[in-house]
Amino acid sequence: AQSVAQPEDQVNVAEGNPLTVKCTYSVSGNPYLFWYVQYPNRGLQFLLKYITGDNLVKGSYGFEAEFNKSQTSFHLKKPSALVSDSALYFCAVSVSGGYNKLIFGAGTRLAVHP
Amino acid sequence: NAGVMQNPRHLVRRRGQEARLRCSPMKGHSHVYWYRQLPEEGLKFMVYLQKENIIDESGMPKERFSAEFPKEGPSILRIQQVVRGDSAAYFCASSQARGVVDEQFFGPGTRLTVL
Repeated sequence: AQSVAQPEDQVNVAEGNPLTVKCTYSVSGNPYLFWYVQYPNRGLQFLLKYITGDNLVKGSYGFEAEFNKSQTSFHLKKPSALVSDSALYFCAVSVSGGYNKLIFGAGTRLAVHP
Repeated sequence: NAGVMQNPRHLVRRRGQEARLRCSPMKGHSHVYWYRQLPEEGLKFMVYLQKENIIDESGMPKERFSAEFPKEGPSILRIQQVVRGDSAAYFCASSQARGVVDEQFFGPGTRLTVL
C-alpha cells in the first residue's frame, strides 16, 4: 500500500538556524512527491513537488527538498528559518493511476522561536 | 482569478441532520478532489470528480456520504444523518487537468461540528 510517514510530530528551531522536516514514503512505481504548508484555519498551500529530474527541488518561500530514492525520503529544508515559517507541514505522495490522488502524511508542526 | 472557494466555512449540525458542503473550483478547473482532516491528523482522500462524473470514490464511506459535480454550479459533498464522528475539516482542491504533475489548489475548508 502507498503511504507517507512524517516521523516527527513537532520540530523546534531557532530563528536563523537551518530547518529540516522529514518525510519518507512507500510506493510501488515512480513516486510523485509534494510538500504543502497549512496555517491555522486555512487551507493547504503548495510549496514544491518532485516529479522527475534533479533530486534537489526548489520551491516557494525559500524552501527546498531533496529526493533520495535509496532512502525513500523527501526531506524539506530551509537554510535560515523565520518565525513566520511556523505552521503545519504535510508531505504527500501521488498515487499514479492517471490522476493526482494525494496520500498525505500526518503532518509536522514547525515552531520557529525568536 | 479567485482561488478555490468553499462554503460555509463553519457548519454546526445536530446528530441525524444533513450537512451540505460546497466547493467552487478555480476558474478553468474541471477536476475536484475532496479530502477530510480529522483533528491532529493528515488529510485523507475521499473522492475525485470531473464535471458530471465521479472518477474515484474509494475514500468515501459507502453509507450516508455522496458527492456530485454538476455541469453548472459548485461541487457538493453531502453527508446524511450526521454522527459525531463526522466532525472534521473538509477540504476540496481543484486542478486544471488530471495528470500527476498538475498542482492541486486547496480551498480554506469547511469545519463541520456535529453536536
